[in-house]
Amino acid sequence: AQKITQTQPGMFVQEKEAVTLDCTYDTSDPSYGLFWYKQPSSGEMIFLIYQGSYDQQNATEGRYSLNFQKARKSANLVISASQLGDSAMYFCAILSGGYQKVTFGTGTKLQVIP
Amino acid sequence: GAVVSQHPSRVICKSGTSVKIECRSLDFQATTMFWYRQFPKQSLMLMATSNEGSKATYEQGVEKDKFLINHASLTLSTLTVTSAHPEDSSFYICSARDKRLAGTRHLYEQYFGPGTRLTVT
Repeated sequence: AQKITQTQPGMFVQEKEAVTLDCTYDTSDPSYGLFWYKQPSSGEMIFLIYQGSYDQQNATEGRYSLNFQKARKSANLVISASQLGDSAMYFCAILSGGYQKVTFGTGTKLQVIP
Repeated sequence: GAVVSQHPSRVICKSGTSVKIECRSLDFQATTMFWYRQFPKQSLMLMATSNEGSKATYEQGVEKDKFLINHASLTLSTLTVTSAHPEDSSFYICSARDKRLAGTRHLYEQYFGPGTRLTVT
C-alpha cells in the first residue's frame, strides 16, 4: 500500500516570497513517481511537476521545484516568487503499483497575501 | 496542449435514476483513463482505471455494478452512476494519459478534465 501525507492543511505566504509545501510518502514499490497538482476553486486539477524515484536531479518547472529527499521519503514543493494566482489547493500524489495507481494526499490550501 | 473535457459539468438527478458522465481527450489519444471522486474539501480518491477495449480495474470498495465504466475508444470513456442515491453526490473527475508521451520522461503525466459535479436529490 502507498500513502501520502501532507501535514499542512493551510499555509499563508506573502506575495513575491517563496513557500515550501511539505509532502512525505510511504511505498514498498522500488520504482515510483511523485506529482504535485494545483486545484483552484474552479475545481480543475493542474499538473505542476513530476519526479521519478530514480531521477538523479530534483525536478524543476519554472517557479516550481521539487525538493526530493529519497532517504527521508519526502517530496516538498517549493514555489518561488509567489503570485496571487497561486492561491489554491495543492495536492501531492504518488504513482506506484507498477506506475498504474495514483494516490493523493489530503492537500494544502495555500493563500497568497498581497 | 493536451485537453480533456467532461460532460456535463453539473448534473442534478433524482434518487433512483442513472447518470452518464463523459470524459474525452480532445487533441490526443489516451492510453489509459482514470476516474476519481472528490468529496468537499477532501482529496481525490481513485475509483477505477480503464484501458481502451478492456474492462476497467476498480479500486477496493468501489461497486462495479453501481459505477459502470466504458472505455469505448482511445478518446472517450464514460462513467455511469446507476440507481443514484444522495450519498453518490460528489465531484467526479477523469484524467487521461497521452499515448504520444510513451517512451518519454512525461509518460506518466495525467491530464485532468474539469470535473462533473453530481447532485442527487
